[in-house]
Amino acid sequence: AQSVTQLDSQVPVFEEAPVELRCNYSSSVSVYLFWYVQYPNQGLQLLLKYLSGSTLVESINGFEAEFNKSQTSFHLRKPSVHISDTAEYFCAVSRSGGYNKLIFGAGTRLAVHP
Amino acid sequence: DAGVTQSPTHLIKTRGQHVTLRCSPISGHKSVSWYQQVLGQGPQFIFQYYEKEERGRGNFPDRFSARQFPNYSSELNVNALLLGDSALYLCASSLGDTHQPQHFGDGTRLSIL
Repeated sequence: AQSVTQLDSQVPVFEEAPVELRCNYSSSVSVYLFWYVQYPNQGLQLLLKYLSGSTLVESINGFEAEFNKSQTSFHLRKPSVHISDTAEYFCAVSRSGGYNKLIFGAGTRLAVHP
Repeated sequence: DAGVTQSPTHLIKTRGQHVTLRCSPISGHKSVSWYQQVLGQGPQFIFQYYEKEERGRGNFPDRFSARQFPNYSSELNVNALLLGDSALYLCASSLGDTHQPQHFGDGTRLSIL
């Protein structure tokens, strides 16, 4: 079975500051890793994914995440945040080779202040 | 192209009633999954359907059931509603049933009185 731990329930940060949202996972098999973002009263939007290959993956809006197999982590980073990045961020895993059931963490609330 | 659409957007029911939630996947997507998101928590997997067959079921009671139609749309049914069923119900679609990313709708907010 897989599980996901998001180490921070809330992360307050000032605009233009860097941010890191931490995610650790547990699995006895290979996994795919995802970050989703949820804005108020909306569904989840895929931010970025790791399936295979380069361990550093990037999104079109400046976020990046690095897969670290030895530390079983997939932390999300952004060098300079904007007010519009305020949202709930969810880390998720699915078992590679199996059907794509997503196991989510509890979420991290990113609050960007001016 | 239209994204995943869910209906209704909001629903209020009382304990003991039943409810049907509907989902239309992105055109060309053959897989539909359902998730329950209780306030303040991450989504929990309920079901996945691919090509009209159930591929996976989460740890939910038999009061929860679903089906997928020939046009790949899907329904989630919940019988004998309990207060604890109050949640945001999310539908996600993907091209296949393995590693393709899932695309989520905006959900149905179900409130049980």
